[in-house]
Amino acid sequence: AQSVTQLGSHVSVSEGALVLLRCNYSSSVPPYLFWYVQYPNQGLQLLLKYTSAATLVKGINGFEAEFKKSETSFHLTKPSAHMSDAAEYFCAVSDDLKTSYDKVIFGPGTSLSVIP
Amino acid sequence: DVKVTQSSRYLVKRTGEKVFLECVQDMDHENMFWYRQDPGLGLRLIYFSYDVKMKEKGDIPEGYSVSREKKERFSLILESASTNQTSMYLCASSFVAEASGRGDTQYFGPGTRLTVL
Repeated sequence: AQSVTQLGSHVSVSEGALVLLRCNYSSSVPPYLFWYVQYPNQGLQLLLKYTSAATLVKGINGFEAEFKKSETSFHLTKPSAHMSDAAEYFCAVSDDLKTSYDKVIFGPGTSLSVIP
Repeated sequence: DVKVTQSSRYLVKRTGEKVFLECVQDMDHENMFWYRQDPGLGLRLIYFSYDVKMKEKGDIPEGYSVSREKKERFSLILESASTNQTSMYLCASSFVAEASGRGDTQYFGPGTRLTVL
């Protein structure tokens, strides 16, 4: 069974500082992994995804994430936070080949605040 | 670009009313989804449709029904709204991930914030 945990429901960073949002998953088979971002009063949009190619995945807005199988992690990073990065971030996993639909499980989300 | 639109951004209804939430996508996606989003709970799948007139229950289908008469349109129906259905409702669509067998990228609408009084 697949599941996703995100350590820290709220993360605050200073503008220009490193952003690190943590995601761990459980999966019985090689997963697809996603990071989505949700700006206030908007739907989710894809930041990046891992689909068993390169373990370091680059996404939009300077974000990247590294798939570490040994740690079952897919942490999201950005070298220098910008005020516009303040949003809710969701990690998601998809690995179940046996369900009747294209199931994607979302984590509970991490709210990122950027302090000027 | 894929566009998923939802009929209302904000909606206020009374307990017991029948509520319709509409979702339309313009990319010919086979799959469409309805989620509800509540603080600390992430996204929870209510219903899923993989083709016209086809539907499957998600994780929390109780109190909801859906309709998909056309490929581009997926409606969520609250037969008799209750206060515990106050939430943000998100619609999403995606292609069928036949090659991989795994759920792939979902494209989301802006959401409908429903308040049931």
